[in-house]
Amino acid sequence: QKEVEQNSGPLSVPEGAIASLNCTYSDRGSQSFFWYRQYSGKSPELIMFIYSNGDKEDGRFTAQLNKASQYVSLLIRDSQPSDSATYLCAVYGGATNKLIFGTGTLLAVQP
Amino acid sequence: DTGVSQDPRHKITKRGQNVTFRCDPISEHNRLYWYRQTLGQGPEFLTYFQNEAQLEKSRLLSDRFSAERPKGSFSTLEIQRTEQGDSAMYLCASSSTTRGWNYGYTFGSGTRLTVV
Repeated sequence: QKEVEQNSGPLSVPEGAIASLNCTYSDRGSQSFFWYRQYSGKSPELIMFIYSNGDKEDGRFTAQLNKASQYVSLLIRDSQPSDSATYLCAVYGGATNKLIFGTGTLLAVQP
Repeated sequence: DTGVSQDPRHKITKRGQNVTFRCDPISEHNRLYWYRQTLGQGPEFLTYFQNEAQLEKSRLLSDRFSAERPKGSFSTLEIQRTEQGDSAMYLCASSSTTRGWNYGYTFGSGTRLTVV
């Protein structure tokens, strides 16, 4: 079992729709959870972090965390073509002092 | 704060040659990380430093790879006797332990290595 698992996609949504990206992790001691956006050929860019159960909203983005289910998600409301990118889930804490990344989910927003 | 700087942006080398990459972290960040990313994969941890001390090195990292961070400032990653399998994007990131983990890493633009 991989430490951080994501569906590689592609996830295709129409412009204006809600995109839902999911991530599961294996280390129950994990403390903080991050979503990075990565455009093709570029480096990852931090867009959200969450460390408490529940929802955290920042503009069009909402991160959701359920530690009991070891599940993290990212919702993107009113999706725009400029949101088309790979979204990386990363987890910190537990047995490690570094971020462990999933393989990323490719999101394609269709105009 | 000019962000994390990596040099060079691109490197093409012949198999068997040695290459060295440089990373300049955000000045007030005391932790520096190296990751490697191949197409379709997430960043894979290589090693990290806190100040000048190398605290962890991935078991996936062969002895052809070495990293240094003299004086706790910039870092270099050297790959000796490069192989085609070393072709990847090498990412450097930095963070501050004083700010806490909630702030994550800041990544540099990466160095894309192609071994021919």
